[in-house]
Amino acid sequence: EAGVTQSPTHLIKTRGQQATLRCSPISGHTSVYWYQQALGLGLQFLLWYDEGEERNRGNFPPRFSGRQFPNYSSELNVNALELEDSALYLCASVPRGGKNTEAFFGQGTRLTVV
Amino acid sequence: QQQVKQSPQSLIVQKGGISIINCAYENTAFDYFPWYQQFPGKGPALLIAIRPDVSEKKEGRFTISFNKSAKQFSLHIMDSQPGDSATYFCAASVGNQFYFGTGTSLTVIP
Repeated sequence: EAGVTQSPTHLIKTRGQQATLRCSPISGHTSVYWYQQALGLGLQFLLWYDEGEERNRGNFPPRFSGRQFPNYSSELNVNALELEDSALYLCASVPRGGKNTEAFFGQGTRLTVV
Repeated sequence: QQQVKQSPQSLIVQKGGISIINCAYENTAFDYFPWYQQFPGKGPALLIAIRPDVSEKKEGRFTISFNKSAKQFSLHIMDSQPGDSATYFCAASVGNQFYFGTGTSLTVIP
């Protein structure tokens, strides 16, 4: 069974540009979480999508947005990039609601803003 | 809204020592408490998890202690090894709602 896949692995953008990051969850998983992990820092919750809907968002400006497609894959868009957006962006997928669910992470997209 | 609070932010332990990372939560509806381990450049991976109906779970050198009344749980790493150097995240979940702590960077000195 394929795990969570994220693309691209690395992304270099200049300040002011837009970045699009993609996540394919494990087959059968309906929830996707996005996290930002700046160098040396912990996981900062960005967005949670479930069944195609945005369920929750973290304390990030509106230029961080995303969507979930009917096949449950997801896209994170970051507009008007700033230098401090440089970070590892992690996607996690969670199966349809149930007990003792586990979140599975992708390897992340390393975004560098220059 | 920080649903899960984790401490310390960083931890340095001598080889062979015990590493202890603590987490606290607010929502009593949480029914699953996993710990994740992350090595540099990799995504976090499940290490060990516990349900609230048990007070302790042990897997090898890793033990979760769970205190339901205090709404706290902790990860103990016995006989810590340099290979355990990583970032550790606690989490709490109910259904498909997941909340992570901010992480603890563990360094085990040889």
